[in-house]
Amino acid sequence: AQSVSQHNHHVILSEAASLELGCNYSYGGTVNLFWYVQYPGQHLQLLLKYFSGDPLVKGIKGFEAEFIKSKFSFNLRKPSVQWSDTAEYFCAVNVRSGNTGKLIFGQGTTLQVKP
Amino acid sequence: GAGVSQTPSNKVTEKGKYVELRCDPISGHTALYWYRQSLGQGPEFLIYFQGTGAADDSGLPNDRFFAVRPEGSVSTLKIQRTERGDSAVYLCASSLRPTSGGANEQFFGPGTRLTVL
Repeated sequence: AQSVSQHNHHVILSEAASLELGCNYSYGGTVNLFWYVQYPGQHLQLLLKYFSGDPLVKGIKGFEAEFIKSKFSFNLRKPSVQWSDTAEYFCAVNVRSGNTGKLIFGQGTTLQVKP
Repeated sequence: GAGVSQTPSNKVTEKGKYVELRCDPISGHTALYWYRQSLGQGPEFLIYFQGTGAADDSGLPNDRFFAVRPEGSVSTLKIQRTERGDSAVYLCASSLRPTSGGANEQFFGPGTRLTVL
């Protein structure tokens, strides 16, 4: 069965520090990849997505992610975090075959940014 | 515009009771998903509707769980004989129809927090 692994469960950074959150998935076929974010008290919302093309994708609020197919990875990065980036971050995978939009999520990473 | 709405926002019930959770998707979204999120975990897929039909119910944990979407819009997740292990946040999401290219962006609702005592 497909699975998604997020290596860091809880990350604490100071403002202006750089961020990288790891995400690996287990599936040998073609996938679509997503990062979702959940700010305190809010809904899950899409941060960025990769379907095809340039493996470096840019999302909202200065976030980007790089798809490395050979490593089955889709790590999330931001060069300089802000206090407002404090949230929970989820990596998710959709297997393309079968025309289903089912998402498989990682367990999430809680990011705490200290002012 | 209006997003995905879910009611109730909180539901407390006793073990063995029956509960219904409602989801109202974004207008025009033919795809609807239910997920369950336990504390400290990511959302776990339960069921996917395309229109009125359940296209993928592989995530339903057992036959106590059932979901319907009779008119292709609002969906209800039904849980019979609730157990303490059913306590979680139940999330609903909607999207445009997935294609051969896979998933479209899913828009999530605020969730229903179910507590089974």
